[in-house]
Amino acid sequence: QSALTQPPSASGSPGQSVAISCTGTSSDVGGYNYVSWYQQYPGKAPKLMIYEVSKRPSGVPDRFSGSKSGNTASLTVSGLQAEDEADYYCSSYAGSNSWVFGGGTKVTVL
Amino acid sequence: QVQLVESGGGVVQPGRSLRLSCAASGFTFSDYAMDWVRQAPGKGLEWVAFITYDGGITAYADSVKGRFTISRDNSKNTLYLHMNSLRDDDTAVYSCARDLIGTYSCDYWGQGTLVTVSS
Repeated sequence: QSALTQPPSASGSPGQSVAISCTGTSSDVGGYNYVSWYQQYPGKAPKLMIYEVSKRPSGVPDRFSGSKSGNTASLTVSGLQAEDEADYYCSSYAGSNSWVFGGGTKVTVL
Repeated sequence: QVQLVESGGGVVQPGRSLRLSCAASGFTFSDYAMDWVRQAPGKGLEWVAFITYDGGITAYADSVKGRFTISRDNSKNTLYLHMNSLRDDDTAVYSCARDLIGTYSCDYWGQGTLVTVSS
């Protein structure tokens, strides 16, 4: 159950796009289409932004999109807005009813 | 609306035990699998434990296996986490979360309760 690898930080100007990678192994990210992404503001509960690699829950703007290739998943935020500045965590199903999270990426809107 | 409210956190000495509770409301609790997730101060999220809708299957992170027990009382709409042999590195905010059915993701989270393990 090793943590997934995310870059510690990412940034972009308003209106630009930013992509966050999430690298695991064939036992988690690469083995299942159950990658999720969460947005978390300081002191707040995480919010589900993407599930099953690329699906958006109701109410999540379509500026947020997810994808996966091999053992690496990605979250792309298009048309960056100031309110997108937050921490983002990926997670993946890892078999036997277990999950693993990434270390988190702090997104800064310049 | 869906609400998850954790309680039971506090300061505890290493080696001692603590029980956390998560009161659920606004949905049919007995229909959903649930998880505990923790976040150490200034650190990232760490999945801790999982339990199916009926309590029939549980799973644990390696870091807590054998020390923590997840359980639920569907008649009381309450999820529990029994923590034994607590260590300094168990210090974290512990949050309960509801599983989005069939997706291995969590769609609702509580605000969490802080557990501090310190002598």
